[in-house]
Order: sequence, then C-alpha cells, then structure tokens
Amino acid sequence: DGGITQSPKYLFRKEGQNVTLSCEQNLNHDAMYWYRQDPGQGLRLIYYSQIVNDFQKGDIAEGYSVSREKKESFPLTVTSAQKNPTAFYLCASSIRAAQPQHFGDGTRLSIL
Amino acid sequence: KQEVTQIPAALSVPEGENLVLNCSFTDSAIYNLQWFRQDPGKGLTSLLLIQSSQREQTSGRLNASLDKSSGRSTLYIAASQPGDSATYLCAVEYGNKLVFGAGTILRVKS
Repeated sequence: DGGITQSPKYLFRKEGQNVTLSCEQNLNHDAMYWYRQDPGQGLRLIYYSQIVNDFQKGDIAEGYSVSREKKESFPLTVTSAQKNPTAFYLCASSIRAAQPQHFGDGTRLSIL
Repeated sequence: KQEVTQIPAALSVPEGENLVLNCSFTDSAIYNLQWFRQDPGKGLTSLLLIQSSQREQTSGRLNASLDKSSGRSTLYIAASQPGDSATYLCAVEYGNKLVFGAGTILRVKS
C-alpha cells in the first residue's frame, strides 16, 4: 500500500540530546512537510521540501533541522536548542506544492 | 498575517442531528481550502478539498462550501453518527503553505 510512514510512534528526549524523527513515503511525491501540533492549536509548519536536496524554513524552524537526500525520505532532527520540544509531530507529502497533502500517523515526542 | 479561525472550539450533539462547523480566514488569496478529520493520537485524513474557483464540494453526508469574498467556509454534516466523533480541522493553502485552524472537537452522543 502507498502511504507515509513515521517512526517511532513515541519518542523520549533527554535534556541536551538531539533526536531524529523518521518520515518515509512511497507515493512518489516531490514535496514533503513537517508540522508540529500542540494541544488546542492548529498545525504549524516547521520545514518543507519541494524537491530532493532542497528545503525551506517554515514558521517555527528554530531548534530543528532537516535533510532531503532521497525523494522518499525527509527526516527531522529536534536539536537541544529547541527548549520546548514536547509535541505531536506530523509529516506530510504532496505530489507537488499546492496539491493535496497526505499525512502520516505522527510521532509524539516527550521530555524525560 | 494569514490566520484561520474555527468556531466552535467544541461541539456535542445527539446522534442524527445535522450540524455545521465554521472556518474563517483573513487572506482571501487562497489556492484551495481543505477539511480534515483527526482521530485522537492519529494523523489527518482529508475529507474534502475545495479549489479557489469552486463554491462547494460534497462527499456522502459531508458538504463543504467556500465563500472567498467573505473569507468563510462551512462543513455541513448530515445525520450525524457516533463514528463522526473526532477533531475537524480547516486548512487554507497559500501557494506552498497550508495554514491550519485550531480545530473543532465534535462529539456525537448515541
């Protein structure tokens, strides 16, 4: 089945540690996105990539980094500079920009 | 600033009732508008997408309307069922960016 796979489902971070969230898609989509969701708030865009080897900052990129070395993969690293990382992280992809986005099931990140 | 607002924040209705969820947006230069459903702890499922040139879209018991000039969209759910209980999110596409509302938490009581 085609889709978006996020792993792990739950992740715990120790203070001062970097952690990486995985997002893989087999939909052959060019564009991929990372969002953060906090309770009672809408999704906020962290980073997006419209093509391999290119990515752009979203509204809340500080404390995060990404890479897009392969079309199907768009990992997100939450660095120690992100002081409030506890949230639900969602990855999405679309065939190209401004087309309907398909979402993964999310990763919930908590602080130990 | 591009903002999306959803009203009400939460809604509880008895089974079988028809209901309307509201979405408003500040910037009318949109590409499209999407309504999503989110179950607890899960990702988003797309329900309906309305292109900027369209006025409404229908899928089964769901009907979404779009009025760009007034910056509003509504999601109408007919004959609600307990299985419709979820959070409903409105998102507006501005080129390469989706701007989301905070969502409406819907509970349909049996």
